[in-house]
Amino acid sequence: AQSVTQPDIHITVSEGASLELRCNYSYGATPYLFWYVQSPGQGLQLLLKYFSGDTLVQGIKGFEAEFKRSQSSFNLRKPSVHWSDAAEYFCAVGEWAYFGNEKLTFGTGTRLTIIP
Amino acid sequence: SQTIHQWPATLVQPVGSPLSLECTVEGTSNPNLYWYRQAAGRGLQLLFYSVGIGQISSEVPQNLSASRPQDRQFILSSKKLLLSDSGFYLCAWSDLIGGLTSTDTQYFGPGTRLTVL
Repeated sequence: AQSVTQPDIHITVSEGASLELRCNYSYGATPYLFWYVQSPGQGLQLLLKYFSGDTLVQGIKGFEAEFKRSQSSFNLRKPSVHWSDAAEYFCAVGEWAYFGNEKLTFGTGTRLTIIP
Repeated sequence: SQTIHQWPATLVQPVGSPLSLECTVEGTSNPNLYWYRQAAGRGLQLLFYSVGIGQISSEVPQNLSASRPQDRQFILSSKKLLLSDSGFYLCAWSDLIGGLTSTDTQYFGPGTRLTVL
């Protein structure tokens, strides 16, 4: 069965500093990988996704993620964080099923706090 | 463009009372629909998914049930709520795409905060 590990429960970063959120997955085949962001009390917004091809994926809000098969990782990065980036971030791996019924397995999330 | 709605946004219910949460999607046809629960400090757990009207698959045994009476409507229900049913319930949709070379992305609604007292 597929699984996702986000080893950092909570990260605090200064505004303007760089950010890296870690994600490790376990999946037997080529994974479909996603990063979602959730602001307090809100639903999830897709930041970026990896299906195939270029292992460096660009997303919205200046985020990017790199798929490293050898390390089973899909870490999320941003060169300079803004106060509005404070939120909870979820990594997910998708199990594609024939006829498009994709099931997502989510990590437990990383809460990002931004300090001035 | 597609939009997904959930209501109510918040709900406080006593133990043993019934539950009905509604999710509707606009701007697409025959979507896959999903119900997730997010408990405090935990990730998202898939509860149900549906690939069509009347077609419901349950991922985990629980006190809840789901129904899809219309193409773009997905309902989460319970006859008697338990304290452990408290949480944040998220509905999501994705396009139903067939074929071995395609996949899809799930888009989430704003969620319903359920507190069972």
